[in-house]
Amino acid sequence: QQKVQQSPESLIVPEGAMTSLNCTFSDSASQYFAWYRQHSGKAPKALMSIFSNGEKEEGRFTIHLNKASLHFSLHIRDSQPSDSALYLCAVNSGTYQRFGTGTKLQVVP
Amino acid sequence: ETAVFQTPNYHVTQVGNEVSFNCKQTLGHDTMYWYKQDSKKLLKIMFSYNNKQLIVNETVPRRFSPQSSDKAHLNLRIKSVEPEDSAVYLCASSRDHSNERLFFGHGTKLSVL
Repeated sequence: QQKVQQSPESLIVPEGAMTSLNCTFSDSASQYFAWYRQHSGKAPKALMSIFSNGEKEEGRFTIHLNKASLHFSLHIRDSQPSDSALYLCAVNSGTYQRFGTGTKLQVVP
Repeated sequence: ETAVFQTPNYHVTQVGNEVSFNCKQTLGHDTMYWYKQDSKKLLKIMFSYNNKQLIVNETVPRRFSPQSSDKAHLNLRIKSVEPEDSAVYLCASSRDHSNERLFFGHGTKLSVL
């Protein structure tokens, strides 16, 4: 069964810093990799996704995938207090997305 | 802009009672899901429906039953709630059941006393 794990569990960074979040998965046949963000008391919202090895950048956010290493990551440039949230990675396991354990990010002014 | 609507927002009940949660999406998507988010914020798939057909039924106790009248609606009934059912139940939809982003509702928080 697909296992999806995230690190670190929680993270505190100063405003303006680069934040890096990690996600590992166990099924090498996985085809879709995504990051979601959930502010406290709100619904998870998709941030960005990637299908093939490499990088994809959207604004301050970059997603990087290395299928051989069973690893993908999210990098947030110039982190803002509004980025403080729970970050969830997700991997498609056939007919649904399996979520990671989450990273709680706090960006302090 | 919410396009996946869940009711109720909160529900408090006692052990053994029956509860029902409703979900409707206005995105025209074919696939809908129920996820359970526990107190540690772990999101676990419960059910998935594609065009009214059940396609995923993870290891969920029999007291849980999904109901879909059409592809825009997916409800969840819990026949006899247990304390461990206390959680946030999140409904989501996607264009289809393959590699598409999920759109979530705001969730229904269930507290079982």
